Amino acid sequence: EAGVTQSPTHLIKTRGQQATLRCSPISGHTSVYWYQQALGLGLQFLLWYDEGEERNRGNFPPRFSGRQFPNYSSELNVNALELEDSALYLCASSVGQGPTDTQYFGPGTRLTVL
Amino acid sequence: GQQVMQIPQYQHVQEGEDFTTYCNSSTTLSNIQWYKQRPGGHPVFLIQLVKSGEVKKQKRLTFQFGEAKKNSSLHITATQTTDVGTYFCAGNYGGSQGNLIFGKGTKLSVKP
Repeated sequence: EAGVTQSPTHLIKTRGQQATLRCSPISGHTSVYWYQQALGLGLQFLLWYDEGEERNRGNFPPRFSGRQFPNYSSELNVNALELEDSALYLCASSVGQGPTDTQYFGPGTRLTVL
Repeated sequence: GQQVMQIPQYQHVQEGEDFTTYCNSSTTLSNIQWYKQRPGGHPVFLIQLVKSGEVKKQKRLTFQFGEAKKNSSLHITATQTTDVGTYFCAGNYGGSQGNLIFGKGTKLSVKP
């Protein structure tokens, strides 16, 4: 069974540009989560989507947005990029939205903002 | 907001020594999950603890959930170089929240 996949692996942008990151969950998983892992700061929760709806949002500005498509894949958009947005962006999926559902992580997209 | 505190931030051990990392929450958790992230890799699920006082073992790894469901620990006996990585605890507060609150992780290095 294929795991969570993310694209691209690496993304280099300049300040002020927009970035789009993509995630495909494990087959059968309906929930998708996005996390930011900046150097030395651990994993910060960004967004949670389930059944096409945004269910919860972390403490990030509105320029971080996303969506979930009917096939449960998801997209994270970051507008007006700032230098501090440079980080590893991790997507995770779970089979449902229950608190005991395990999250499985993808390999991440390394975003560098110059 | 809800926070999960994890200590220590770094731990350097000699191969064969034991290692423990601790997580604490100020409020009761629905469950706690543990992940391992190898250098250059992504977090990989290790285990989930749900019940008060629960103890689970995976070979040399022992996971505990406190009686009040506010703290947890991961203990590795006789570390090996393959144990190198960052260990994260992640708390879930239940309800419809869904998302996990991650601790900052403990980075383990093992000297052969």
